[in-house]
Amino acid sequence: DTGVSQDPRHKITKRGQNVTFRCDPISEHNRLYWYRQTLGQGPEFLTYFQNEAQLEKSRLLSDRFSAERPKGSFSTLEIQRTEQGDSAMYLCASSYPLPQGSSYNEQFFGPGTRLTVL
Amino acid sequence: AQTVTQSQPEMSVQEAETVTLSCTYDTSESDYYLFWYKQPPSRQMILVIRQEAYKQQNATENRFSVNFQKAAKSFSLKISDSQLGDAAMYFCASFNQGGKLIFGQGTELSVKP
Repeated sequence: DTGVSQDPRHKITKRGQNVTFRCDPISEHNRLYWYRQTLGQGPEFLTYFQNEAQLEKSRLLSDRFSAERPKGSFSTLEIQRTEQGDSAMYLCASSYPLPQGSSYNEQFFGPGTRLTVL
Repeated sequence: AQTVTQSQPEMSVQEAETVTLSCTYDTSESDYYLFWYKQPPSRQMILVIRQEAYKQQNATENRFSVNFQKAAKSFSLKISDSQLGDAAMYFCASFNQGGKLIFGQGTELSVKP
């Protein structure tokens, strides 16, 4: 168990370019979450998956953002036509399936991908 | 909508002393969880302590304990015998049936030797 991994760790791009980030969750974790953290703020929820199904999307996730988890394992987050306001740390987290009768399981976070849009 | 508020952007504590970080929250849910996360500089976020709302007893994890005041919607973190390694951003967060974490703005804790 090597923890949640994210790639790349840093990305610098020019405004208008497309970028894609990858998250590899802990194996056997069926839930995967994406959060965005701007400088000096707490993370904000973007979206989450249970297996390959995307169950919830935040209003923060504009049409330029798309997330996928095609086989229920790794996930990708794509931002099209990047804007300077997209500059942030993008965090991925994963959790085990919920125990029966429980509505919560601990989320384990990855190191994040820091995006800088010039 | 759930909200989590941390009103202390920065806190400082002397090594070996005790410090309390404050957090208030608002939710209409009856079943929820509250957490404190630690985010060291350039390192990933880790869970420090968790409190189930239905439990009246305050959670403790070694040097970390919480003061959960459900009626006041207050959830503070006490760190005893502070160590240099405790220096980090601390985030208060809530979790509801919807499946996502709602974070506060964070408190940056510095520990003076």
